[in-house]
Amino acid sequence: DIQMTQSPSSVSASVGDRVTITCRASQGISSWLAWYQQKPGKAPKLLIYAASSLQSGVPSRFSGSGSGTDFTLTISSLQPEDFATYYCQQANSFPLTFGQGTRLEIK
Amino acid sequence: QITLKESGPTLVKPTQTLTLTCTFSGFSLSTSGVGVGWIRQPPGKALEWLALIYWNDDKRYSPSLKSRLTITKDTSKNQVVLTMTNMDPVDTATYYCAHRPYYGSGQFDPWGQGTLVTVSS
Repeated sequence: DIQMTQSPSSVSASVGDRVTITCRASQGISSWLAWYQQKPGKAPKLLIYAASSLQSGVPSRFSGSGSGTDFTLTISSLQPEDFATYYCQQANSFPLTFGQGTRLEIK
Repeated sequence: QITLKESGPTLVKPTQTLTLTCTFSGFSLSTSGVGVGWIRQPPGKALEWLALIYWNDDKRYSPSLKSRLTITKDTSKNQVVLTMTNMDPVDTATYYCAHRPYYGSGQFDPWGQGTLVTVSS
């Protein structure tokens, strides 16, 4: 199985800050990576697919980069609605696997 | 607009079999490349992929749960059914179904609202 490791596990930031979350795969996954945002009590919402493609309707302050084993999700200027938990997911091979999540909290 | 909704029991007893139904609209599971997956999330924990069924009836399962899972589709009813046998309290979780589009990188979008299943005697 491909292990997905996110860092940090949690981060505190302020509105307007730039935040970067990283996701590392235990083996190369090309660009078969997606990022999701999940708010309490809600289903995950797709933000980024194919490592860097912005899902339709997602604000442009979200961006993704990377390929192979190292990936990043960047929020350029945090908004109040961005405080949530973020997950990466690989689909290079089965079983599909998710990272453990990164909780983004208000400082 | 694509929507999915999970349905099934909210409480099951240990050793029982769980049957969940995902009813969807806005896409056809006979379209090449399309799939529907099941993912679960224990309270306060991370997401765990369970199973995926493709338009051509190809099925994939989590190896750790494969012996307990069965996924099927009814294209005419726009439904996907997941059964999980021998339920245990550790299987208590919110279970989601999600659409896997034909394009992209194997992402799930959108997801159903989820259904919380509690396993307890």
